[in-house]
Amino acid sequence: DVKVTQSSRYLVKRTGEKVFLECVQDMDHENMFWYRQDPGLGLRLIYFSYDVKMKEKGDIPEGYSVSREKKERFSLILESASTNQTSMYLCASSIRGGRETQYFGPGTRLLVL
Amino acid sequence: GQQLNQSPQSMFIQEGEDVSMNCTSSSIFNTWLWYKQDPGEGPVLLIALYKAGELTSNGRLTAQFGITRKDSFLNISASIPSDVGIYFCAGTYQTSGSRLTFGEGTQLTVNP
Repeated sequence: DVKVTQSSRYLVKRTGEKVFLECVQDMDHENMFWYRQDPGLGLRLIYFSYDVKMKEKGDIPEGYSVSREKKERFSLILESASTNQTSMYLCASSIRGGRETQYFGPGTRLLVL
Repeated sequence: GQQLNQSPQSMFIQEGEDVSMNCTSSSIFNTWLWYKQDPGEGPVLLIALYKAGELTSNGRLTAQFGITRKDSFLNISASIPSDVGIYFCAGTYQTSGSRLTFGEGTQLTVNP
């Protein structure tokens, strides 16, 4: 079974803090994705990565950066957290050429005060 | 980008009833996926469809990849209380690469 884990289920941070959200997958997938999910707005893609050290902007990259130093790990960074980044963050992975089936982690619910 | 129209937005049913939901697109899709999301959790893959006309079951769930490649449906038979959650369709089209396009979800409530 594919397993995608996220470092925290719940996080509370203050405005201006630097926040790291980590995602690890154990299935040797090349592709990894970060989404945020907000009521009424669905899932929105922030960044994705096709390979180690590769990254591509998604639909809403502003205020975020990512890091992929190892194949199994994809980190989302909020350089200076703001209250409008309070959200549910979801990581997913998929195999390259694997018909694009993405497998999701359990999510991190971030509250920025 | 492409959008998926998922309907209905919400359903309130009695335990034991069958449920049907669908997604449509204006473009041809190469892959259709159905996910379920429980409150506070990440989406879990239910069924993946890769070929036009494909009909796949997973227990009480059945999904089909439409012949036109522009739609897909998910049926749940004999619903039970643990079927409660949000059901999402998702898919890829010719120029989307590895990116998925998501429907807005169907919120299912099952009354015991």
